[in-house]
Amino acid sequence: GAGVSQTPSNKVTEKGKYVELRCDPISGHTALYWYRQSLGQGPEFLIYFQGTGAADDSGLPNDRFFAVRPEGSVSTLKIQRTERGDSAVYLCASSSGPWGETQYFGPGTRLLVL
Amino acid sequence: SQQGEEDPQALSIQEGENATMNCSYKTSINNLQWYRQNSGRGLVHLILIRSNEREKHSGRLRVTLDTSKKSSSLLITASRAADTASYFCPRGEYGNKLVFGAGTILRVKS
Repeated sequence: GAGVSQTPSNKVTEKGKYVELRCDPISGHTALYWYRQSLGQGPEFLIYFQGTGAADDSGLPNDRFFAVRPEGSVSTLKIQRTERGDSAVYLCASSSGPWGETQYFGPGTRLLVL
Repeated sequence: SQQGEEDPQALSIQEGENATMNCSYKTSINNLQWYRQNSGRGLVHLILIRSNEREKHSGRLRVTLDTSKKSSSLLITASRAADTASYFCPRGEYGNKLVFGAGTILRVKS
């Protein structure tokens, strides 16, 4: 595809539910990143994949958050037992390589936990 | 904590004027990137400047980097209403993640 795509664009769920957010990176990009952005703030790093493996998951806030990238392309961010504080825009980015390359961002998924 | 602190927090100018935004950081960097974001979504990459570069241009954009002062600036010349957005200067750590500040909100009045 021409750019990074994310689905759904909006997700409304109830507290305690499970959600999955999907990211489809730019074709051929080996590095994939997840960020979370709260209102009025800059994005905060969650996790980075190089290929299929999570090279850095230091930004995941707790064990309710998990992400996979089984075939080294599409990635899914999974949130269990959602809480109202999880409400944010979840952004995905990809880059052609891991070292100092430009990261290209998708449009984000706006998650609202009621 | 967030780094790549942008200054000012908000800037309002008239169409046609130049806009200058500054960015400071605290630790060594591999590179520094400038992004624009409209309506709280869709970060658009503007320029990447590496630690061994001092200045880069792209159209109406000019970015400078002073590693001795740990600072960077973004100049937008002849601003347009479409330049209204939030601007971020995340630094790329030695590793891969980008560390963002809160950004500068630029408003260009027509």
